[in-house]
Amino acid sequence: AQTVTQSQPEMSVQEAETVTLSCTYDTSESDYYLFWYKQPPSRQMILVIRQEAYKQQNATENRFSVNFQKAAKSFSLKISDSQLGDAAMYFCAYSLGSGGGADGLTFGKGTHLIIQP
Amino acid sequence: GAVVSQHPSWVICKSGTSVKIECRSLDFQATTMFWYRQFPKQSLMLMATSNEGSKATYEQGVEKDKFLINHASLTLSTLTVTSAHPEDSSFYICSADPGTGTEAFFGQGTRLTVV
Repeated sequence: AQTVTQSQPEMSVQEAETVTLSCTYDTSESDYYLFWYKQPPSRQMILVIRQEAYKQQNATENRFSVNFQKAAKSFSLKISDSQLGDAAMYFCAYSLGSGGGADGLTFGKGTHLIIQP
Repeated sequence: GAVVSQHPSWVICKSGTSVKIECRSLDFQATTMFWYRQFPKQSLMLMATSNEGSKATYEQGVEKDKFLINHASLTLSTLTVTSAHPEDSSFYICSADPGTGTEAFFGQGTRLTVV
Protein backbone atom coordinates (compact mmCIF):
# COMPACT_ATOMS: atom_id res chain seq x y z
CA ALA A 1 0.00 0.00 0.00
CA GLN A 2 1.13 3.51 -0.70
CA THR A 3 1.99 5.78 2.19
CA VAL A 4 2.61 9.51 2.37
CA THR A 5 4.57 11.02 5.24
CA GLN A 6 4.70 14.66 6.27
CA SER A 7 7.10 14.99 9.17
CA GLN A 8 6.38 18.63 10.02
CA PRO A 9 3.08 19.01 11.92
CA GLU A 10 3.56 22.77 12.00
CA MET A 11 5.77 25.34 10.30
CA SER A 12 6.07 29.06 10.89
CA VAL A 13 7.53 31.65 8.54
CA GLN A 14 7.78 35.42 8.40
CA GLU A 15 5.73 37.18 5.76
CA ALA A 16 7.72 37.60 2.51
CA GLU A 17 10.14 34.84 3.46
CA THR A 18 10.50 31.40 1.87
CA VAL A 19 9.40 28.17 3.47
CA THR A 20 9.76 24.54 2.42
CA LEU A 21 7.32 21.81 3.42
CA SER A 22 8.57 18.23 3.32
CA CYS A 23 6.87 15.12 2.02
CA THR A 24 8.08 11.59 1.43
CA TYR A 25 6.12 8.71 0.01
CA ASP A 26 6.42 5.02 -0.56
CA THR A 27 5.27 3.19 -3.66
CA SER A 28 6.31 0.33 -5.90
CA GLU A 29 4.78 1.98 -8.95
CA SER A 30 6.83 3.82 -11.55
CA ASP A 31 4.08 6.06 -12.91
CA TYR A 32 1.97 8.11 -10.53
CA TYR A 33 0.96 11.63 -9.56
CA LEU A 34 1.86 13.75 -6.57
CA PHE A 35 -0.09 16.73 -5.32
CA TRP A 36 0.03 19.50 -2.78
CA TYR A 37 -3.35 20.65 -1.52
CA LYS A 38 -4.13 23.67 0.63
CA GLN A 39 -6.98 23.51 3.14
CA PRO A 40 -7.83 26.91 4.65
CA PRO A 41 -10.17 27.27 7.65
CA SER A 42 -13.15 26.98 5.27
CA ARG A 43 -11.93 23.39 4.72
CA GLN A 44 -12.32 23.66 0.94
CA MET A 45 -9.54 21.62 -0.68
CA ILE A 46 -7.53 23.74 -3.11
CA LEU A 47 -5.01 22.22 -5.49
CA VAL A 48 -1.69 24.05 -5.21
CA ILE A 49 0.47 22.06 -7.56
CA ARG A 50 0.63 18.70 -9.33
CA GLN A 51 3.59 16.62 -10.46
CA GLU A 52 3.57 13.69 -12.84
CA ALA A 53 6.20 11.16 -11.87
CA TYR A 54 7.38 10.52 -15.41
CA LYS A 55 8.22 14.20 -15.86
CA GLN A 56 11.67 15.03 -14.57
CA GLN A 57 11.08 18.76 -14.61
CA ASN A 58 9.85 20.14 -11.31
CA ALA A 59 6.39 21.71 -11.45
CA THR A 60 5.97 25.40 -10.66
CA GLU A 61 2.93 27.61 -10.16
CA ASN A 62 3.82 31.24 -9.56
CA ARG A 63 5.25 31.41 -6.01
CA PHE A 64 4.91 27.67 -5.49
CA SER A 65 7.43 25.14 -6.71
CA VAL A 66 8.32 21.57 -5.89
CA ASN A 67 11.53 19.63 -5.54
CA PHE A 68 10.70 16.19 -6.85
CA GLN A 69 13.32 13.54 -6.18
CA LYS A 70 11.92 10.32 -7.62
CA ALA A 71 14.71 8.02 -6.51
CA ALA A 72 14.53 9.36 -2.98
CA LYS A 73 10.70 9.39 -3.10
CA SER A 74 10.69 12.95 -1.89
CA PHE A 75 8.31 15.74 -2.93
CA SER A 76 8.83 19.03 -1.08
CA LEU A 77 6.90 22.25 -1.61
CA LYS A 78 8.63 25.61 -1.62
CA ILE A 79 6.57 28.74 -1.07
CA SER A 80 8.39 31.94 -1.99
CA ASP A 81 7.46 35.43 -0.81
CA SER A 82 5.03 34.00 1.76
CA GLN A 83 1.78 35.92 2.12
CA LEU A 84 -0.74 36.00 4.94
CA GLY A 85 -3.23 34.24 2.68
CA ASP A 86 -0.92 31.25 2.48
CA ALA A 87 -1.71 30.34 6.07
CA ALA A 88 -3.52 26.99 6.00
CA MET A 89 -3.11 23.24 6.33
CA TYR A 90 -1.08 21.76 3.49
CA PHE A 91 -1.53 18.16 2.49
CA CYS A 92 0.77 16.14 0.30
CA ALA A 93 -1.06 13.46 -1.68
CA TYR A 94 -0.34 10.54 -3.99
CA SER A 95 -2.45 8.95 -6.71
CA LEU A 96 -2.10 6.54 -9.58
CA GLY A 97 -4.32 8.73 -11.75
CA SER A 98 -4.38 12.45 -12.47
CA GLY A 99 -7.93 12.69 -11.14
CA GLY A 100 -7.53 10.09 -8.47
CA GLY A 101 -7.35 7.03 -10.70
CA ALA A 102 -9.16 3.95 -9.48
CA ASP A 103 -7.94 4.23 -5.91
CA GLY A 104 -8.39 7.88 -5.02
CA LEU A 105 -5.84 10.02 -3.24
CA THR A 106 -3.65 8.96 -0.34
CA PHE A 107 -2.96 11.95 1.89
CA GLY A 108 -0.23 12.74 4.36
CA LYS A 109 -1.15 13.98 7.84
CA GLY A 110 -0.68 17.58 6.87
CA THR A 111 1.46 20.54 7.87
CA HIS A 112 -0.07 23.57 9.52
CA LEU A 113 1.58 26.64 8.01
CA ILE A 114 1.60 29.82 10.06
CA ILE A 115 2.56 33.13 8.48
CA GLN A 116 3.96 35.70 10.92
CA PRO A 117 3.24 39.32 9.89
CA GLY B 1 -12.14 25.68 -12.74
CA ALA B 2 -14.78 22.99 -12.58
CA VAL B 3 -17.32 23.14 -9.76
CA VAL B 4 -18.42 20.38 -7.45
CA SER B 5 -21.32 21.20 -5.17
CA GLN B 6 -21.87 19.28 -1.97
CA HIS B 7 -25.10 19.56 -0.01
CA PRO B 8 -25.79 20.13 2.79
CA SER B 9 -22.79 22.06 4.11
CA TRP B 10 -23.65 21.05 7.63
CA VAL B 11 -26.27 18.85 9.24
CA ILE B 12 -27.23 17.85 12.74
CA CYS B 13 -29.18 14.64 13.21
CA LYS B 14 -30.37 12.52 16.07
CA SER B 15 -28.70 9.24 16.90
CA GLY B 16 -30.35 6.36 15.05
CA THR B 17 -31.57 8.39 12.10
CA SER B 18 -30.19 8.47 8.56
CA VAL B 19 -28.78 11.40 6.66
CA LYS B 20 -28.07 11.81 2.95
CA ILE B 21 -25.26 13.91 1.51
CA GLU B 22 -25.26 14.87 -2.16
CA CYS B 23 -22.26 15.52 -4.39
CA ARG B 24 -22.90 17.11 -7.79
CA SER B 25 -20.53 18.02 -10.58
CA LEU B 26 -22.12 21.16 -12.00
CA ASP B 27 -20.28 21.70 -15.25
CA PHE B 28 -18.73 18.36 -16.14
CA GLN B 29 -19.50 14.67 -16.09
CA ALA B 30 -17.65 12.64 -13.51
CA THR B 31 -16.80 9.07 -14.38
CA THR B 32 -15.61 8.47 -10.85
CA MET B 33 -16.44 10.10 -7.56
CA PHE B 34 -14.67 9.63 -4.26
CA TRP B 35 -15.85 10.04 -0.67
CA TYR B 36 -13.45 11.01 2.09
CA ARG B 37 -13.84 11.49 5.83
CA GLN B 38 -11.83 13.94 7.88
CA PHE B 39 -11.84 13.90 11.68
CA PRO B 40 -10.87 17.10 13.54
CA LYS B 41 -7.23 18.03 13.09
CA GLN B 42 -6.61 14.92 11.00
CA SER B 43 -6.07 14.10 7.38
CA LEU B 44 -8.54 12.96 4.74
CA MET B 45 -9.18 9.24 4.59
CA LEU B 46 -10.71 7.64 1.52
CA MET B 47 -13.94 5.85 2.35
CA ALA B 48 -15.10 4.64 -1.03
CA THR B 49 -14.85 5.03 -4.77
CA SER B 50 -17.98 5.12 -6.89
CA ASN B 51 -18.42 4.75 -10.61
CA GLU B 52 -21.62 5.65 -12.38
CA GLY B 53 -23.97 2.71 -12.69
CA SER B 54 -21.94 0.28 -10.63
CA LYS B 55 -21.49 -0.62 -7.00
CA ALA B 56 -19.11 1.42 -4.93
CA THR B 57 -15.76 0.05 -3.83
CA TYR B 58 -15.23 0.52 -0.11
CA GLU B 59 -11.93 0.86 1.70
CA GLN B 60 -11.02 -1.68 4.32
CA GLY B 61 -12.73 -0.96 7.60
CA VAL B 62 -15.58 1.09 6.10
CA GLU B 63 -18.97 -0.51 6.69
CA LYS B 64 -20.80 -0.65 3.38
CA ASP B 65 -24.15 -1.21 5.05
CA LYS B 66 -23.69 1.89 7.15
CA PHE B 67 -22.36 4.19 4.47
CA LEU B 68 -24.54 3.67 1.42
CA ILE B 69 -23.21 5.19 -1.78
CA ASN B 70 -25.24 5.63 -4.93
CA HIS B 71 -23.83 7.01 -8.18
CA ALA B 72 -26.96 7.07 -10.31
CA SER B 73 -25.75 9.56 -12.92
CA LEU B 74 -22.54 11.06 -14.25
CA THR B 75 -23.17 14.22 -12.24
CA LEU B 76 -24.52 12.96 -8.92
CA SER B 77 -23.30 10.70 -6.16
CA THR B 78 -24.94 10.39 -2.76
CA LEU B 79 -23.65 9.15 0.58
CA THR B 80 -26.24 8.02 3.10
CA VAL B 81 -25.14 7.50 6.67
CA THR B 82 -27.62 5.02 8.08
CA SER B 83 -28.48 4.65 11.77
CA ALA B 84 -26.04 7.40 12.60
CA HIS B 85 -24.22 7.41 15.93
CA PRO B 86 -22.16 10.14 17.60
CA GLU B 87 -18.93 8.45 16.47
CA ASP B 88 -20.03 9.08 12.85
CA SER B 89 -19.74 12.81 13.49
CA SER B 90 -17.11 14.03 11.08
CA PHE B 91 -16.40 16.13 8.01
CA TYR B 92 -17.28 14.32 4.79
CA ILE B 93 -15.80 15.49 1.48
CA CYS B 94 -16.45 14.29 -2.03
CA SER B 95 -14.32 14.69 -5.12
CA ALA B 96 -15.16 14.12 -8.76
CA ASP B 97 -12.82 12.98 -11.52
CA PRO B 98 -13.67 14.35 -14.98
CA GLY B 99 -11.59 11.57 -16.53
CA THR B 100 -9.95 14.04 -18.90
CA GLY B 101 -6.45 13.98 -17.46
CA THR B 102 -7.01 16.93 -15.15
CA GLU B 103 -7.08 16.73 -11.41
CA ALA B 104 -10.17 15.75 -9.42
CA PHE B 105 -12.31 18.56 -8.03
CA PHE B 106 -13.49 18.69 -4.44
CA GLY B 107 -16.82 19.65 -2.96
CA GLN B 108 -16.90 22.09 -0.07
CA GLY B 109 -17.55 19.31 2.43
CA THR B 110 -20.34 18.44 4.85
CA ARG B 111 -20.00 18.71 8.60
CA LEU B 112 -22.12 15.99 10.19
CA THR B 113 -22.94 16.15 13.88
CA VAL B 114 -24.87 13.29 15.44
CA VAL B 115 -26.46 14.07 18.79
